[in-house]
Amino acid sequence: SQQGEEDPQALSIQEGENATMNCSYKTSINNLQWYRQNSGRGLVHLILIRSNEREKHSGRLRVTLDTSKKSSSLLITASRAADTASYFCATATSGGGADGLTFGKGTHLIIQP
Amino acid sequence: DGGITQSPKYLFRKEGQNVTLSCEQNLNHDAMYWYRQDPGQGLRLIYYSQIVNDFQKGDIAEGYSVSREKKESFPLTVTSAQKNPTAFYLCASSIQDRINYGYTFGSGTRLTVV
Repeated sequence: SQQGEEDPQALSIQEGENATMNCSYKTSINNLQWYRQNSGRGLVHLILIRSNEREKHSGRLRVTLDTSKKSSSLLITASRAADTASYFCATATSGGGADGLTFGKGTHLIIQP
Repeated sequence: DGGITQSPKYLFRKEGQNVTLSCEQNLNHDAMYWYRQDPGQGLRLIYYSQIVNDFQKGDIAEGYSVSREKKESFPLTVTSAQKNPTAFYLCASSIQDRINYGYTFGSGTRLTVV
């Protein structure tokens, strides 16, 4: 079963704008991770936030985690055409993901030039 | 450069055939994983292995088999028992410190039944 669910399923914005994607999950987690996938390619790890953290930054990426609401958000600031991709959240339960991450269905982000 | 290599990139299978997808990593990672991706379905876990000569079923293991004879290699066989094998298959690996580090993925194999 899917643990994480991203929202929205698709998002189209103008280059330079900020993009926000949300993820909700169902059970307790060790950490939550965000990945990017360009069309027909493998996934690339973007950022990991542990269950005892509330916010994390990496370059133009900002991730928040609210364990009381079982939700996370990914903010991409000053978007670029190269940010066009699908973005997935993934949750790790026991062992930080030793028995596999559980992925959501993804948000397809399109950056209009 | 270190990474994960999946081959072939495209694979065609006839009805009733078994096919094997290759996954090789030179990252010295202990754990390896196989995921299946269908359109609109996200990724679903097929099998995973945390150590050589040991592997566990994931959520959708039926119709698939794996082996882990070497740390670097984790091949996936799609058997004739898998009734709907057309999908994009992704292999991943991770280090033991999974609390702080994510997975590294290969570039995938697209399998089509003809």
